[in-house]
Amino acid sequence: SQQGEEDPQALSIQEGENATMNCSYKTSINNLQWYRQNSGRGLVHLILIRSNEREKHSGRLRVTLDTSKKSSSLLITASRAADTASYFCATDADSNYQLIWGAGTKLIIKP
Amino acid sequence: SQTIHQWPATLVQPVGSPLSLECTVEGTSNPNLYWYRQAAGRGLQLLFYSVGIGQISSEVPQNLSASRPQDRQFILSSKKLLLSDSGFYLCAWSDVTEAFFGQGTRLTVV
Repeated sequence: SQQGEEDPQALSIQEGENATMNCSYKTSINNLQWYRQNSGRGLVHLILIRSNEREKHSGRLRVTLDTSKKSSSLLITASRAADTASYFCATDADSNYQLIWGAGTKLIIKP
Repeated sequence: SQTIHQWPATLVQPVGSPLSLECTVEGTSNPNLYWYRQAAGRGLQLLFYSVGIGQISSEVPQNLSASRPQDRQFILSSKKLLLSDSGFYLCAWSDVTEAFFGQGTRLTVV
């Protein structure tokens, strides 16, 4: 089953612009994670934000979490062509450490 | 450091043939292990997960099965592949805070 829903499904921007992707979920969570997937490869963990956190930074990444709206956003600042990838959010589901995945946002950075 | 190996990277198999995809983990013990399938341009569909040797939970009834013969080995199998089994298969292990993925296997059933 999938809990997270990312939007937009696809996003195409010019290099140097900021890219914002959103994720909504349905049930209460302990944490929310963002992952990146280059075409035809496995997913790579980007950042985790806990339910008691509202904002977190890692390099050019900024993640926000609004538990009242059950939503999160991932902002990539000063985008680069190498940021082209699909981005997924995932939320924890139960004590067996199952993650519930969204369908992803495909980000294309035009040089 | 933890490492996860998944092979092969690509596989073309005829309909009705068997399948065996293998995944091994290094650098951690008693990991939670997962097999996912990903359709083109879509999210991850959890197929199986395992919290210990011989303990397999199936999320989706299908033509596939999984086994965990050793603590850090997870195998995805099929006795007879269907065309609909084509896809991108990902093995992963996770702790409380992060999932670690293999590089994936692109399976094409012809």
